[in-house]
Amino acid sequence: GESVGLHLPTLSVQEGDNSIINCAYSNSASDYFIWYKQESGKGPQFIIDIRSNMDKRQGQRVTVLLNKTVKHLSLQIAATQPGDSAVYFCAENMEGAQKLVFGQGTRLTINP
Amino acid sequence: NAGVMQNPRHLVRRRGQEARLRCSPMKGHSHVYWYRQLPEEGLKFMVYLQKENIIDESGMPKERFSAEFPKEGPSILRIQQVVRGDSAAYFCASCASGGSYNEQFFGPGTRLTVL
Repeated sequence: GESVGLHLPTLSVQEGDNSIINCAYSNSASDYFIWYKQESGKGPQFIIDIRSNMDKRQGQRVTVLLNKTVKHLSLQIAATQPGDSAVYFCAENMEGAQKLVFGQGTRLTINP
Repeated sequence: NAGVMQNPRHLVRRRGQEARLRCSPMKGHSHVYWYRQLPEEGLKFMVYLQKENIIDESGMPKERFSAEFPKEGPSILRIQQVVRGDSAAYFCASCASGGSYNEQFFGPGTRLTVL
């Protein structure tokens, strides 16, 4: 089965609030993790990545946290906007492997 | 700089027909990946190719599916004798070089519907 999964299939937040999307992975050999955003009818769009030698990485309005002890990954989106509505996937890659393993996805909806 | 291009965007086939999906990687990219996505699911790896070589096809069904990335032209994912279970979105991604830490850029996908 898949080694990457998500805790919640859907998440609704108020516009302006912060969003936290979680991901669990089971393959301890994975050393590279990526968050993708997929809008309806489109391909996945890279948001942010993190290597296993880091536990936090920040981008513009987004932060990824990696907890290797419990094999947990999270994506934090600050001041969520309507344009953030999408399905968010975490993906993992093992060193030496050439393929991404995707989780099921979390649908983020923004309430006005 | 155009991104990854896929065509057709939508493809309808009847059971038993052949489907050909094309992917043109980003300029300068020589590594191509194909993924399949069923509704409400994540993407599943199918195959990884470099120019004229299949590097990893561990995600490809053993029968009816094939992929190529010729020296010239786009990468092709070919599905022979399609069945209803082949209905899905097929995404292509490209990368400038191999290795675990290189960002894969995804195309818009081809949505295959098998009647």
